[in-house]
Amino acid sequence: EAQVTQNPRYLITVTGKKLTVTCSQNMNHEYMSWYRQDPGLGLRQIYYSMNVEATDKGDVPEGYKVSRKEKRNFPLILESPSPNQTSLYFCASSTPGGPVSYNEQFFGPGTRLTVL
Amino acid sequence: GENVEQHPSTLSVQEGDSAVIKCTYSDSASNYFPWYKQELGKRPQLIIDIRSNVGEKKDQRIAVTLNKTAKHFSLHITETQPEDSAVYFCASSGGYNKLIFGAGTRLAVHP
Repeated sequence: EAQVTQNPRYLITVTGKKLTVTCSQNMNHEYMSWYRQDPGLGLRQIYYSMNVEATDKGDVPEGYKVSRKEKRNFPLILESPSPNQTSLYFCASSTPGGPVSYNEQFFGPGTRLTVL
Repeated sequence: GENVEQHPSTLSVQEGDSAVIKCTYSDSASNYFPWYKQELGKRPQLIIDIRSNVGEKKDQRIAVTLNKTAKHFSLHITETQPEDSAVYFCASSGGYNKLIFGAGTRLAVHP
């Protein structure tokens, strides 16, 4: 079954304790992205990756890191989480778009993170 | 920066009525406009999309219209059913899979 998976699905942690949220897709997609969803703000892009070893900042990258060492995996790293990073996080993947084209993004199930 | 405004933030309708959600985008280079539905506790899922060379697109009970001059696009749901209750997000893209989302509309359909 074609899918995007995320782990963990729920996480409660404390300020400053490093954490990683994993994202994996089995569709051989080049493009992967991380979003955070907050009430009244919709989904905002944190980081994206056009392919292996090619990552770039989205609209709200502060406090986050990513890596793309393999095509299927795109982990999100919070080196020193703070309460304002409490949010619902979604990973997504797709085939690459071009300068004037777009391909549907498939979302993972989400990770609800609470930072105390 | 680029942004997408979405209205209303909440919408309550009776089963069988129509629902309309409106979005306005700022980037005139945007050429792709998807709509996502997110049920409670679930991931966003694409329900319909429209590209800038088309003014209207329909898929059964849902339709999307685009006015490029005014930079407006809208989602229309006819004959609403309780299972249409969800949060709906509009988005715009100018290419390279970059999506700018609206803030979302919580639609409640009452039997």
